[in-house]
Amino acid sequence: SAVISQKPSRDICQRGTSLTIQCQVDSQVTMMFWYRQQPGQSLTLIATANQGSEATYESGFVIDKFPISRPNLTFSTLTVSNMSPEDSSIYLCSVEGINYGYTFGSGTRLTVV
Amino acid sequence: GQQVMQIPQYQHVQEGEDFTTYCNSSTTLSNIQWYKQRPGGHPVFLIQLVKSGEVKKQKRLTFQFGEAKKNSSLHITATQTTDVGTYFCAGQMNSGYSTLTFGKGTMLLVSP
Repeated sequence: SAVISQKPSRDICQRGTSLTIQCQVDSQVTMMFWYRQQPGQSLTLIATANQGSEATYESGFVIDKFPISRPNLTFSTLTVSNMSPEDSSIYLCSVEGINYGYTFGSGTRLTVV
Repeated sequence: GQQVMQIPQYQHVQEGEDFTTYCNSSTTLSNIQWYKQRPGGHPVFLIQLVKSGEVKKQKRLTFQFGEAKKNSSLHITATQTTDVGTYFCAGQMNSGYSTLTFGKGTMLLVSP
């Protein structure tokens, strides 16, 4: 399965600022997925990032708040913009394998104060 | 939209007891996947079920996919403390369209 390097692993940010999360995959993948997991909760898909096109956002998530870049087939970033305490969460990137499910990055634990 | 319900939300067992979590989808699934997330960790893929009525085993773990491809279960025989974590099912409607819908997960605590 793919190996994903995600950083930062955690951060504490001031409200109103932005944080960019990076994910690097050790192989080329068509789609990368960004999830949010609030404490003790399930995973919610934010958006799907395809190389060379705009990301597709799920209901409740907008590009202005969560801009995504996908400059090549091994890398993607998610920015959490104009943060508020409600954005405190774990953010995870993932890729889909063939016959072995999704592989997740180790996650970014974000606290907004 | 597609919904995946999972019960129970939480279960605390004594080591050696069995454990089962159940997953139910509002729509017929192409496949269902199971993940385990250890405390402080990220979800790790366990298995994927594709066929109606499929049963797969991984050591003490038994996974089932319902005949109608709308429900699934994970059963752990004789739990161990290493089984602690949250188990998520995740349904995929179309194999060619990759979005997964996750259940809310079942948190398993195992006391020695």
